[in-house]
Amino acid sequence: KAGVTQTPRYLIKTRGQQVTLSCSPISGHRSVSWYQQTPGQGLQFLFEYFSETQRNKGNFPGRFSGRQFSNSRSEMNVSTLELGDSALYLCASSFTSGGPRWADTQYFGPGTRLTVL
Amino acid sequence: DQQVKQNSPSLSVQEGRISILNCDYTNSMFDYFLWYKKYPAEGPTFLISISSIKDKNEDGRFTVFLNKSAKHLSLHIVPSQPGDSAVYFCAASQTGANNLFFGTGTRLTVIP
Repeated sequence: KAGVTQTPRYLIKTRGQQVTLSCSPISGHRSVSWYQQTPGQGLQFLFEYFSETQRNKGNFPGRFSGRQFSNSRSEMNVSTLELGDSALYLCASSFTSGGPRWADTQYFGPGTRLTVL
Repeated sequence: DQQVKQNSPSLSVQEGRISILNCDYTNSMFDYFLWYKKYPAEGPTFLISISSIKDKNEDGRFTVFLNKSAKHLSLHIVPSQPGDSAVYFCAASQTGANNLFFGTGTRLTVIP
């Protein structure tokens, strides 16, 4: 079974621009979560989508948004980029059946390295 | 407020010996705990998990122990191999909220 895929793998943008990142979950997984990793803040949760609805949201400004499509693929958008948005953005998927906890295990993609100049 | 903590930033172990990585948490609502292995510029790779209804879970060379009263978990790797050298993160979540809270990671170096 194919793993979580993310595109693009690397991206360079300038301040003020916007960016869209894409994530394809493991087949059959319905939940997609996004995380930001920076040297200073570590791995932080951005938001989770399940059945095309945002189910959970972390403590990030409204410039960070996302969506999920009917095939469970997800996109994350960051508007008005700031230098501090430079990070590794990670997408994770899980089956999340509401049953046993092992179904909530999140599997991560390789990440998108965003550099804001 | 760091709800999951890994107080040892690094650990060095001889090949063949046991590696023990520790993790503490503060939120008593956490009921599912996971360990991930990570290389630079790559996504975390899931290693092993444990539900709060258990106190031990084994998978090959990896064993995770959970002490709920102490809010402490540990990952044991036996025997350690050079390929185990990476940064290890523990993570926790609670039922009904699928967001993971991560520790700051422990860099494990296994010396041949």
